[in-house]
Amino acid sequence: GQQLNQSPQSMFIQEGEDVSMNCTSSSIFNTWLWYKQDPGEGPVLLIALYKAGELTSNGRLTAQFGITRKDSFLNISASIPSDVGIYFCAGQLRTGTASKLTFGTGTRLQVTL
Amino acid sequence: SAVISQKPSRDICQRGTSLTIQCQVDSQVTMMFWYRQQPGQSLTLIATANQGSEATYESGFVIDKFPISRPNLTFSTLTVSNMSPEDSSIYLCSVEYSTDTQYFGPGTRLTVL
Repeated sequence: GQQLNQSPQSMFIQEGEDVSMNCTSSSIFNTWLWYKQDPGEGPVLLIALYKAGELTSNGRLTAQFGITRKDSFLNISASIPSDVGIYFCAGQLRTGTASKLTFGTGTRLQVTL
Repeated sequence: SAVISQKPSRDICQRGTSLTIQCQVDSQVTMMFWYRQQPGQSLTLIATANQGSEATYESGFVIDKFPISRPNLTFSTLTVSNMSPEDSSIYLCSVEYSTDTQYFGPGTRLTVL
C-alpha cells in the first residue's frame, strides 16, 4: 500500500537539542496526525492537525499542516531522553463514510546525554 | 481518548495454525480498524471492521486469510489463518471518533515458527 515519505529515517541528537522531521505525500489529506511508538507498544497520538496551514503545539512539540495539504512537519524542542522512540506521521482521507489512515515510514529518534 | 485492550499481547504459534486476536474498547465507536506492522516497518491497514456487515479489506489482504468479526460497537476480532513465518508481525487495532482521529491499542506481537 501507499506510504508517506518521512525524513529523516533516523537521527541521533544530544539532550537539549531541537529536532525537526517532516512528511510529504503526492496526495492530499483531510487530517495529519503525528504518533510516537515505544518498543512493544502501540502508537500514541501526539498531535492532530485538521486544517491546511494549521500550526499546533503540545508542550515541547509543534506541528504544522502544510498549505498544499500534502505535507506536515513536527518539531521537538529541548529534547530529553524520554523522547527516544519512533515517530510516525499519518495522513487521513475521508471519502463519504469511509476513512483511511496512511502512515509514513517513520523517524527513529535517539537522544544521547 | 479511548481505552483499548488487545488479547493476547503476544503469542508464538506453529505454522499452519490460526490465531484470533481480540480488541475491546471502553466506549462505543463507529469505526474500528486492524493494522499490521511487520518487523522494523511502518503500519499498514488490513481492513476496516464494520459493525453488522462484512469488513472492508485493503488491497493485498483477503477475508479468507484475515477474517474479521465486529459483533457490536465495542468489540472486534481479527483471525490470522493458516499462518506462515511471513505472518510474524505486530497486529494493532484502532478506533476512530468523530474527530477523524485514530487511537491505537497496545498491539499483539505474533511470532510464527
